[in-house]
Amino acid sequence: DIQMTQSPSSLSASVGDRVTITCRASQRISSHLNWYQQKPGKAPKILIYGASSLQSGVPSTFSGSGSGTEFTLSISSLQPEDSATYYCQQSYSTPTFGQGTRLEIK
Amino acid sequence: EVQLVESGGGLVQPGGSLRLSCAASGFIFSTYGMNWVRQAPGKGLEWVSYISSSNNIIDYADSVKGRFTISRDNAKNSLYLQMNSLRDEDTAVYYCAREGGSSGWNYFEYWGQGTLVTVSS
Repeated sequence: DIQMTQSPSSLSASVGDRVTITCRASQRISSHLNWYQQKPGKAPKILIYGASSLQSGVPSTFSGSGSGTEFTLSISSLQPEDSATYYCQQSYSTPTFGQGTRLEIK
Repeated sequence: EVQLVESGGGLVQPGGSLRLSCAASGFIFSTYGMNWVRQAPGKGLEWVSYISSSNNIIDYADSVKGRFTISRDNAKNSLYLQMNSLRDEDTAVYYCAREGGSSGWNYFEYWGQGTLVTVSS
């Protein structure tokens, strides 16, 4: 299976900050990388698919980039409602997720 | 509006069985692949199983292969997961998730609210 590693595991930032989360794959996955947001007690929500395509209805403050083995999720201007855990997931082969990044708003 | 509603979770003893269901509405169920994804308490997400729209492709995570069986009834707009020989480590919230739309990329576009399975004596 392809292993996905996210960093950092957690971070704290202020409203208006730009934050970046990194996801690394154990082998090349082209652009088959998706990002999800999960709030406590809720199901995950798709943010970005195909490494950089913004899902309909997701604010343009979210963006994704990367290909091969290294990917990033960026939030350009942090809002209070962005407090959540973020997961990357590869769809190149049998789906696997990163361990998650918990984002706290200061 | 796309809706996925899971049911069938509960408390079961180790070695026992449980059947989860997922009722789908708001889209043409027979044209989409479906998945089960689980999340152990306080842990991350783990993909469990996939079934294609026409039942011809089925796949499982190694952790459940030989114990779990995914199926669907397109006439009833329903997805199922038969779980046998349950273990403590199968304790999790189980989500059904629909595959993404027409973009050509594979992703989990819609998720249910989840159903909790607790395996404990």
